[in-house]
Amino acid sequence: EDKVVQSPLSLVVHEGDTVTLNCSYEVTNFRSLLWYKQEKKAPTFLFMLTSSGIEKKSGRLSSILDKKELFSILNITATQTGDSAVYLCAVEAAGNDMRFGAGTRLTVKP
Amino acid sequence: NAGVTQTPKFRVLKTGQSMTLLCAQDMNHEYMYWYRQDPGMGLRLIHYSVGEGTTAKGEVPDGYNVSRLKKQNFLLGLESAAPSQTSVYFCASSYLWVYEQYFGPGTRLTVT
Repeated sequence: EDKVVQSPLSLVVHEGDTVTLNCSYEVTNFRSLLWYKQEKKAPTFLFMLTSSGIEKKSGRLSSILDKKELFSILNITATQTGDSAVYLCAVEAAGNDMRFGAGTRLTVKP
Repeated sequence: NAGVTQTPKFRVLKTGQSMTLLCAQDMNHEYMYWYRQDPGMGLRLIHYSVGEGTTAKGEVPDGYNVSRLKKQNFLLGLESAAPSQTSVYFCASSYLWVYEQYFGPGTRLTVT
């Protein structure tokens, strides 16, 4: 059965720390992996990755995919309190299949 | 430009009652989706649409029906609500399949 597993489930850091969030997956006919940030309500799109080894970057956030080992990481450098959120990983597979992980809750303390 | 809107924001139903959730988008997106989010389980795709007049089943379609009569609207119906359908429901839309989905604010549904 297709599955997406995120770790850790929750994480507490202090402002300025660097964090790494993990997403591993087992799906049939992988197409892409997506990261979303969910603050209080609606998730917002961060990245879409389709190729191994190519880093996507946006400000202090970056992400990379390893299709051989079936995982992705999301890095956040110099964390700020505004980074506190649940970070969701989703995997798209053939047949219009879309699976989300349970998310990692990040809390950044001042 | 309102993006994706959902009505209602909250609803309490009794078991066996029916209701319709409305999703509207003003971005001229072809693709629209309905998800449910339960604690500890992330988002699960209920149904989706790849264009006006089309609908398809996602991961957890049982107990739900959908319609997309107009491009900008995607309706989710519960014919006979059950407590297991207590959840937060999110609608989303995108220009390309699953890429950069825009989510609505969610509807919190409680079935007693």
